[in-house]
Amino acid sequence: SAVISQKPSRDICQRGTSLTIQCQVDSQVTMMFWYRQQPGQSLTLIATANQGSEATYESGFVIDKFPISRPNLTFSTLTVSNMSPEDSSIYLCSVEGRAGQRDEQFFGPGTRLTVL
Amino acid sequence: AQSVAQPEDQVNVAEGNPLTVKCTYSVSGNPYLFWYVQYPNRGLQFLLKYITGDNLVKGSYGFEAEFNKSQTSFHLKKPSALVSDSALYFCAVRVNFGNEKLTFGTGTRLTIIP
Repeated sequence: SAVISQKPSRDICQRGTSLTIQCQVDSQVTMMFWYRQQPGQSLTLIATANQGSEATYESGFVIDKFPISRPNLTFSTLTVSNMSPEDSSIYLCSVEGRAGQRDEQFFGPGTRLTVL
Repeated sequence: AQSVAQPEDQVNVAEGNPLTVKCTYSVSGNPYLFWYVQYPNRGLQFLLKYITGDNLVKGSYGFEAEFNKSQTSFHLKKPSALVSDSALYFCAVRVNFGNEKLTFGTGTRLTIIP
């Protein structure tokens, strides 16, 4: 399975500010995914990020609010812009499996964001 | 549209007893089904998957799941529960072609009572 790290692991931010979350993978992957897990709720896909193209956003999520970068095959960032308390969530990075595990997705440890 | 239902928010089981965590799904087409586990302050860990073949799938930590096409279910089971199995469990589904988007259920918190 892929080894995924995220930075920061947690943060407390003020309303109106922005936070950039980094996701690093130990191997090259084509597809990376960003999810949000609001308190006590399930995971919701924010967007899919492929290297060399713009991210594809799910319904209810927009690039201005959640800009994503994918500069290479092992790294991606998600920015949560102009934050409000409603953005308090765990943000998870995910990647598809390697050859032989393409059907699976593997998840990073998550970034726990609290917005005051 | 695809969806997953986990009808139980909370399941309590005595240590050593068998456990079942329920999941039903809805997709247009053949499903790929997954179970993930989330321990406190940690990301999701893959447990097992059903793609095709045998309806009974075996996974990590002694867990297994049975795919039932007629009942559109994919319940997670373990013959003898351990206290360390206490965690949040998510069922997920996607169709077997094209869109790789995973849809997750709302999660079931499993508590194993010593």
